[in-house]
Amino acid sequence: GAVVSQHPSWVICKSGTSVKIECRSLDFQATTMFWYRQFPKQSLMLMATSNEGSKATYEQGVEKDKFLINHASLTLSTLTVTSAHPEDSSFYICSAPPPTSVNEQYFGPGTRLTVT
Amino acid sequence: LAKTTQPISMDSYEGQEVNITCSHNNIATNDYITWYQQFPSQGPRFIIQGYKTKVTNEVASLFIPADRKSSTLSLPRVSLSDTAVYYCLVGDDLQGSGNTPLVFGKGTRLSVIA
Repeated sequence: GAVVSQHPSWVICKSGTSVKIECRSLDFQATTMFWYRQFPKQSLMLMATSNEGSKATYEQGVEKDKFLINHASLTLSTLTVTSAHPEDSSFYICSAPPPTSVNEQYFGPGTRLTVT
Repeated sequence: LAKTTQPISMDSYEGQEVNITCSHNNIATNDYITWYQQFPSQGPRFIIQGYKTKVTNEVASLFIPADRKSSTLSLPRVSLSDTAVYYCLVGDDLQGSGNTPLVFGKGTRLSVIA
């Protein structure tokens, strides 16, 4: 089946630094990918929609200058958390809809970000 | 997307059948009902999807009454490995073909006890 990978699976960074998270569709092309954030014991919250060849669409309340999204190719989207702060510590998950008409979206395994 | 309501948590013993009900009173004619499973520190995983009546796969069954205002996910003979959060989603583009993101509610935290 279709697989979505994320890298890294976990990362620790210091406040003020930037961190890049990669999301790849391994065996299918995705013109659109989605980025979610999940805090402990909470549900997934949509952050933005990543569009290949155009700008990302951000949800209300998500700072586009802080969470930079680049859909570099049909199989890769990156999320860069700039000037990270401890409150950015969270579990970041991406997803991609498969091109064929199957009844699901494929999610990556997630990236655990800890900002110290 | 139609709003959904699920129990916050459920407990079950191993080997029992677990039924998780989701209310979606404002479901639209074109909406499908989809359930996802999420283990700790992992991305969600598709379990099952249906439109009406009953759907069954190797993992679960989904029961949808005629008025479609609710649905019940049934997990037969659960094991410890079924401990997870289960999300009910309702929408008309859950296949993702229109590039619509999924909107997750709070989900139901199932704890399976030995």
